[in-house]
Amino acid sequence: GQQVMQIPQYQHVQEGEDFTTYCNSSTTLSNIQWYKQRPGGHPVFLIQLVKSGEVKKQKRLTFQFGEAKKNSSLHITATQTTDVGTYFCAGYDYKLSFGAGTTVTVRA
Amino acid sequence: DGGITQSPKYLFRKEGQNVTLSCEQNLNHDAMYWYRQDPGQGLRLIYYSQIVNDFQKGDIAEGYSVSREKKESFPLTVTSAQKNPTAFYLCASSIFDGDGNTEAFFGQGTRLTVV
Repeated sequence: GQQVMQIPQYQHVQEGEDFTTYCNSSTTLSNIQWYKQRPGGHPVFLIQLVKSGEVKKQKRLTFQFGEAKKNSSLHITATQTTDVGTYFCAGYDYKLSFGAGTTVTVRA
Repeated sequence: DGGITQSPKYLFRKEGQNVTLSCEQNLNHDAMYWYRQDPGQGLRLIYYSQIVNDFQKGDIAEGYSVSREKKESFPLTVTSAQKNPTAFYLCASSIFDGDGNTEAFFGQGTRLTVV
């Protein structure tokens, strides 16, 4: 069945630095979505990528969907304390399957 | 006020008892999902339903049961057969439109503790 793998599991970042989290699926996906979960909260939708090779930006966040539609990445530039939380990718293939998430902590 | 509601927020049960978690949405979404989240772990899919009166097992369905008698409701029963039921349970619903948009909206979650 479909499996979505995400690395790294933890990311400790100095404020102002950049980082990237990666997502890989065992199957080709119809689309991939990214969510953010703040500590104690529930996942909140960030963005959806549908097309092969698609790149979308949201301020300091850049999302990319691979050419084969099996992998994706989220790159955050100039990390801020407001970026703290867990970032999940989720692949859609008639059901929504989540990766394990990357938990981000920020050193001020 | 549109959204997806889970109740209760906290739930305590004795070992060996079945318990049902509620999930209601008024977003007119066809698809609904149940996930389990353990500390430091991701979201694992328990059951999902894409249409009324139909549902499918996810990756960790053993010890759980669901029903989808109404479009807006997707209750989850944690049975006594579930060996490690203590966890944070999240319900979600999503649209599926002609453009392939499948954004999921989550409830606030139910934290179940079995003692």
